[in-house]
Amino acid sequence: AAGVIQSPRHLIKEKRETATLKCYPIPRHDTVYWYQQGPGQDPQFLISFYEKMQSDKGSIPDRFSAQQFSDYHSELNMSSLELGDSALYFCASTPSNAGSHEQYFGPGTRLTVT
Amino acid sequence: AQSVAQPEDQVNVAEGNPLTVKCTYSVSGNPYLFWYVQYPNRGLQFLLKYITGDNLVKGSYGFEAEFNKSQTSFHLKKPSALVSDSALYFCAVRGPSGGSYIPTFGRGTSLIVHP
Repeated sequence: AAGVIQSPRHLIKEKRETATLKCYPIPRHDTVYWYQQGPGQDPQFLISFYEKMQSDKGSIPDRFSAQQFSDYHSELNMSSLELGDSALYFCASTPSNAGSHEQYFGPGTRLTVT
Repeated sequence: AQSVAQPEDQVNVAEGNPLTVKCTYSVSGNPYLFWYVQYPNRGLQFLLKYITGDNLVKGSYGFEAEFNKSQTSFHLKKPSALVSDSALYFCAVRGPSGGSYIPTFGRGTSLIVHP
């Protein structure tokens, strides 16, 4: 079965650079979530989209922005990168924004800022 | 606000013994409760969920969880642990319809199964 795809899997950037992370949800899933997971931490919710509109906003820094496109894939744009942005970034999708649905997570993008 | 507590950072169990990973929650209204497992450098994988109905929920890989409304708990259990069950386990809660659809995760419990 198709799973959530994230690219790239690994990314190394320097401070103050920009990065773009991509997420391709499971086909027919219209809701996408972005999470940041630091070492030994639980996933922290950043932002979500439902039917290409932002539906919820969590602890996403102002330096970050995201959007969901017409094909439902999503991109997380990160600017002015800081050392503290080094983390695993997960995307998850659900077939709708109903609370009863479990989330399907991608394998993550490991971002290292040097 | 909704919250989840996983009181144990780490649980150690011998292979073949039963295991329990604890989770308690706080949410307004009836909760949607989930367990996920995370292997190193991998995304979270769904194990099981409680939405409504039978308080004992069975999930993947022989895991089950019992919803206890009076104790606001949703402990994960398995009758006989395997070394391959060693991983990080996250409990999550989402509010009911009409509330926030964003799940709140616990801080995770590292399960170590010894041969």
